Amino acid sequence: QKEVEQNSGPLSVPEGAIASLNCTYSDRGSQSFFWYRQYSGKSPELIMFIYSNGDKEDGRFTAQLNKASQYVSLLIRDSQPSDSATYLCAVITNAGKSTFGDGTTLTVKP
Amino acid sequence: GAVVSQHPSRVICKSGTSVKIECRSLDFQATTMFWYRQFPKKSLMLMATSNEGSKATYEQGVEKDKFLINHASLTLSTLTVTSAHPEDSSFYICSARGGDSQRGPQHFGDGTRLSIL
Repeated sequence: QKEVEQNSGPLSVPEGAIASLNCTYSDRGSQSFFWYRQYSGKSPELIMFIYSNGDKEDGRFTAQLNKASQYVSLLIRDSQPSDSATYLCAVITNAGKSTFGDGTTLTVKP
Repeated sequence: GAVVSQHPSRVICKSGTSVKIECRSLDFQATTMFWYRQFPKKSLMLMATSNEGSKATYEQGVEKDKFLINHASLTLSTLTVTSAHPEDSSFYICSARGGDSQRGPQHFGDGTRLSIL
């Protein structure tokens, strides 16, 4: 079992729709959770982080964390073609290890 | 804030050459730096983790003598690919995490595209 699992996709949504990206993790004691966006040929960039259960909103992005179920999700409202990218979920385990998922590729169609 | 500069952005060189890549945190002190490589359309692969003033911790399967990492200061880490060969061609990306907390995010450099002829 991978420490951080994501559906590889591709996930395709029409412009203006809500894109929902999900991530599950295996270490129940994990403390910190991050979402990165990586455009093709570029390095990852941090878009959201969340430490506590519940929702955290930043503009069109909402991160949701449920520690009991060991999943973290990212919602992108009013999706735009420029949101087309690979989204990486990252977790810091209780032991302080940083682990990335393999990423979900999102395509937003005009 | 939290800017990481990686240099050079692209290197093309002959087989057998050693290549040094620099990673600098510009506006924060990076207590921990990470080095990744990534092949086209593949996942990030962690190569090693380094803490300032300590030897790097390499992931399984990564050759320490091939990929030399030096984290000499709180703002600079270098990766040297020694005697590079075509199979070392890849996208190398560094990241840095600052502060005393081990819970914070990693901030990535722009990456170095290495091509060995």
